[in-house]
Amino acid sequence: SQQGEEDPQALSIQEGENATMNCSYKTSINNLQWYRQNSGRGLVHLILIRSNEREKHSGRLRVTLDTSKKSSSLLITASRAADTASYFCATDGDRGSTLGRLYFGRGTQLTVWP
Amino acid sequence: DAGVIQSPRHEVTEMGQEVTLRCKPISGHDYLFWYRQTMMRGLELLIYFNNNVPIDDSGMPEDRFSAKMPNASFSTLKIQPSEPRDSAVYFCASSPGRTSAYNEQFFGPGTRLTVL
Repeated sequence: SQQGEEDPQALSIQEGENATMNCSYKTSINNLQWYRQNSGRGLVHLILIRSNEREKHSGRLRVTLDTSKKSSSLLITASRAADTASYFCATDGDRGSTLGRLYFGRGTQLTVWP
Repeated sequence: DAGVIQSPRHEVTEMGQEVTLRCKPISGHDYLFWYRQTMMRGLELLIYFNNNVPIDDSGMPEDRFSAKMPNASFSTLKIQPSEPRDSAVYFCASSPGRTSAYNEQFFGPGTRLTVL
């Protein structure tokens, strides 16, 4: 399977703490993306990091990518109760995969307690 | 743009009935995806289209499932006959394709299907 795997499956923290989620994948990629899903809603694209990038920031989000280890991490700093959601990583797979599709992991359920 | 639109938002039906889910992608997007999400199996890609042509339907569980995209602004996913194990949330997503260097996907709100 080419899909990514997030770790941990569930994460519970207090408001103000940082949350770190990890993603591992199996094939070479062109880019890796992180998505967020609030309960009862569709997935929303958060951030994309290209295979030649090592780190990217967007507001309170920081994404790192280590292509040698085939892994990525998503850091949410100073978390808020509103950050409670499931977070998914998605990869575009290797050159043998079908163009256009993404491979999603099972997600990390983040709960931020006020 | 209103984003990806799906209808209905909720569907409750009895086993054996036909179910049709509808999707309107974001205007100008070349790709359209149908996903199914359950607690047990997570997010599964069922089928996707590029410029209205089905590219990969290997995720369609069985012949009871079919999908069409008659034009660039409309797609349907049909289940006939429906079974209780089809109960899930079905998402439609679209992606810009050639108009973007990246393949980020935009998801609709989903259709929650319950088959009794």
